[in-house]
Amino acid sequence: AQSVTQPDIHITVSEGASLELRCNYSYGATPYLFWYVQSPGQGLQLLLKYFSGDTLVQGIKGFEAEFKRSQSSFNLRKPSVHWSDAAEYFCAVGGSGTYKYIFGTGTRLKVLA
Amino acid sequence: DTGVSQDPRHKITKRGQNVTFRCDPISEHNRLYWYRQTLGQGPEFLTYFQNEAQLEKSRLLSDRFSAERPKGSFSTLEIQRTEQGDSAMYLCASSLLTVNPGELFFGEGSRLTVL
Repeated sequence: AQSVTQPDIHITVSEGASLELRCNYSYGATPYLFWYVQSPGQGLQLLLKYFSGDTLVQGIKGFEAEFKRSQSSFNLRKPSVHWSDAAEYFCAVGGSGTYKYIFGTGTRLKVLA
Repeated sequence: DTGVSQDPRHKITKRGQNVTFRCDPISEHNRLYWYRQTLGQGPEFLTYFQNEAQLEKSRLLSDRFSAERPKGSFSTLEIQRTEQGDSAMYLCASSLLTVNPGELFFGEGSRLTVL
């Protein structure tokens, strides 16, 4: 079955600290992977995506993610978190020839001043 | 603003009433999606249009739900005889038809509360 797992429901970090949000996927074909961010009352905004090539991808707002096929993971990282990064983060998977995207349940990030 | 727009942003209704949501995608996007998001969950796929053709409907979409995209531009999602379990955020997204799954551009959503 196709699925996305985000094992951490809530994460709290101090401003300036590093961040890693976990994402594991199960997908029968070559996965195309995405990270979206959702601020309260807002729609989802794409942070970054992986289709092929370099397994370390850079995104907006200083985020990066690494695709590890052997671990079926696509973890999101940021070296230094800002208070404005407080939001909910969603990992999603799609595939070639499909238009359907499967989202994880999200990780809510809280940033302490 | 050339992003995806949804209307209304909030809707409160009584159980049994009908509601309709509208989505205006980015103008050149030929793919349009409806997702539903409940509290503590990620977006769940409801239905997909390629131009005016509705190509897939999720099993989540009961017979009370109907979606249209009559001219391949804006779309409407109607829920008839609403139930309390329909309370959720209804998200519309659009994208370009490409070989690879393209980026989904989301609207800000329409929040439905059924009393």
